[in-house]
Amino acid sequence: AQKVTQAQTEISVVEKEDVTLDCVYETRDTTYYLFWYKQPPSGELVFLIRRNSFDEQNEISGRYSWNFQKSTSSFNFTITASQVVDSAVYFCALSEISNEGAQKLVFGQGTRLTINP
Amino acid sequence: DVKVTQSSRYLVKRTGEKVFLECVQDMDHENMFWYRQDPGLGLRLIYFSYDVKMKEKGDIPEGYSVSREKKERFSLILESASTNQTSMYLCASRPQGPNTEAFFGQGTRLTVV
Repeated sequence: AQKVTQAQTEISVVEKEDVTLDCVYETRDTTYYLFWYKQPPSGELVFLIRRNSFDEQNEISGRYSWNFQKSTSSFNFTITASQVVDSAVYFCALSEISNEGAQKLVFGQGTRLTINP
Repeated sequence: DVKVTQSSRYLVKRTGEKVFLECVQDMDHENMFWYRQDPGLGLRLIYFSYDVKMKEKGDIPEGYSVSREKKERFSLILESASTNQTSMYLCASRPQGPNTEAFFGQGTRLTVV
């Protein structure tokens, strides 16, 4: 079963529009961590934010904001006043414990975001 | 600057060849990972290692093996390459702890012909 689901495969908006990327996760852990990564056209994934399961406060960083809702198992990412440089593939990830007690990162399918001028 | 370096950016191999993808990190991280990235499927975990000589299967280990003889190096091995292993391969490393971020290499685009 998919542990992290990003239902939006591709999104295309015009510059300056706001856009929200959805992420729904599934875990049996009571303590867990969620992440967002950005993959620009160059290919290398870049860390954006982490959130732990006991902190449901939303976070804002410039034009970026994150809405974590434990009740719906969602961790959505909003870009306000989008810019062409925001064009990338965005991944949501969940840190979970493996069968042998190791920490692994499980990623969603990714959402390709295109911002048109 | 933290660094995860993959030995090749592009690779073309023939069906049936044994293929080695190398990854080196300079951050003294305990954990290292190999993912493959395919359109519509996101990043899928192949194998990961949480210590030297320790490894664990990910979600899609079939057709692959790994080696971690030294802490800084994690190798992915395709025992007998097949065309369905044509993909982008991403290596990552991560310190201990569930809240730590992973650092990624630039990726290796492997084409098996």
